[in-house]
Amino acid sequence: AQTVTQSQPEMSVQEAETVTLSCTYDTSENNYYLFWYKQPPSRQMILVIRQEAYKQQNATENRFSVNFQKAAKSFSLKISDSQLGDTAMYFCAFLFQGGSEKLVFGKGTKLTVNP
Amino acid sequence: GAVVSQHPSWVICKSGTSVKIECRSLDFQATTMFWYRQFPKQSLMLMATSNEGSKATYEQGVEKDKFLINHASLTLSTLTVTSAHPEDSSFYICSVSGDQETQYFGPGTRLLVL
Repeated sequence: AQTVTQSQPEMSVQEAETVTLSCTYDTSENNYYLFWYKQPPSRQMILVIRQEAYKQQNATENRFSVNFQKAAKSFSLKISDSQLGDTAMYFCAFLFQGGSEKLVFGKGTKLTVNP
Repeated sequence: GAVVSQHPSWVICKSGTSVKIECRSLDFQATTMFWYRQFPKQSLMLMATSNEGSKATYEQGVEKDKFLINHASLTLSTLTVTSAHPEDSSFYICSVSGDQETQYFGPGTRLLVL
């Protein structure tokens, strides 16, 4: 069974600075997707970024980028130029490609951006 | 991505009553939808996978007679909490399986059972 571990329950960063959230996962599969979702105080789950395991190039979406290390089973999220609106819970998630479509979530990291 | 709505966003009910929550995919035909439950300060817990035109697949430990799921069309899945009790109070979220197997989530429904 796949597992996802987020080792940082809480983090904080100053506005305009850069922060990195860590995520590791365990799987014996070769083809899968990895995701970062953001859940602000409104509790709406928002897709931040998606990475296909077969792609070596790290995914980027504006100020958000990932460092995907497949051999190490690591998938960290870097947020550049942090903004107050980035304050949220961040969940790392794994999906086995071609399987049951079930997402496996980590426990989340609560990020606070301070003014 | 897909746009997903949920209704109602808030519901308060008396113990013993049933509550229906709707999940709609507004711009995407969804053969598969998912229902999650989230307790405060915790991650999402998958309750069941809803498949259009067939029975839902429930996760271990989830009572299928308690949480009735109907996925009658490609745009609508419903979750009915039958004979609700205070321990059923929670935040319920649905999602749609969209492009590249990415899940897009509804805004959630807060259920409070008195």
